[in-house]
Amino acid sequence: EGELVQSGGGLVQPGWSRRLSCAASGFTFSHYWMHWVRQTLGKRLEWVSRINTDGSVTHYADSVKGRFTMSRDNAKNTLYLQMNSLRVEDTAIYYCVRDQNFYGSGHDYWGQGVLVTVSS
Amino acid sequence: DIQMTQSPSSLSASVGDRVTITCQASQDIRDYLNWYQQKPGKVPNLLIYDASHLQSGVPSRFSASGSGTDFSLTISSLQPEDFAVYFCQQYFNLPVTFGGGTKVEVK
Repeated sequence: EGELVQSGGGLVQPGWSRRLSCAASGFTFSHYWMHWVRQTLGKRLEWVSRINTDGSVTHYADSVKGRFTMSRDNAKNTLYLQMNSLRVEDTAIYYCVRDQNFYGSGHDYWGQGVLVTVSS
Repeated sequence: DIQMTQSPSSLSASVGDRVTITCQASQDIRDYLNWYQQKPGKVPNLLIYDASHLQSGVPSRFSASGSGTDFSLTISSLQPEDFAVYFCQQYFNLPVTFGGGTKVEVK
């Protein structure tokens, strides 16, 4: 049974940076595309970014493009989200999630989620 | 971006009821549509992938259909553990987008 364990959430001031980590276990991490999805305080789900299996291809939502960077270390089975120039509207619970297959047929594993609060 | 519109935003139902939730895409997404259930304080759980395929381990009272722009999720006989929020998600195009959610509450 696979598992994703996240760390790195917390309270940050606007304009500051934060890095989220997501440690994978129980499956061959390097075989799967991964995403970050966030859930606002109003419970709306928003896709943030995705990365391919070897980390060479990333895509971002327009709202975070140029500020957030997604990466992975397959040797450490770990996914990262570097968040710079944080804004109040980035406040959300952030989840790392796995695509269950190459075609993207759903996110079958979710991290436990970490709350990032951006406030002065 | 493809907009996903769910309806209703909430509904009240009783145990044993048949419940149907709909999701409409702003453009043709073929069958690139997934459904998730989220219970209070929990992470979303994948119920249905590719519009109509039941995820492993999900009870057979859940079913879904649709293609193109119109999709639906049906719970044939609502159980106490089914009271939750349900989201649809399209992955036909980036950005991946989610519906606003449908809260299924106790009547």
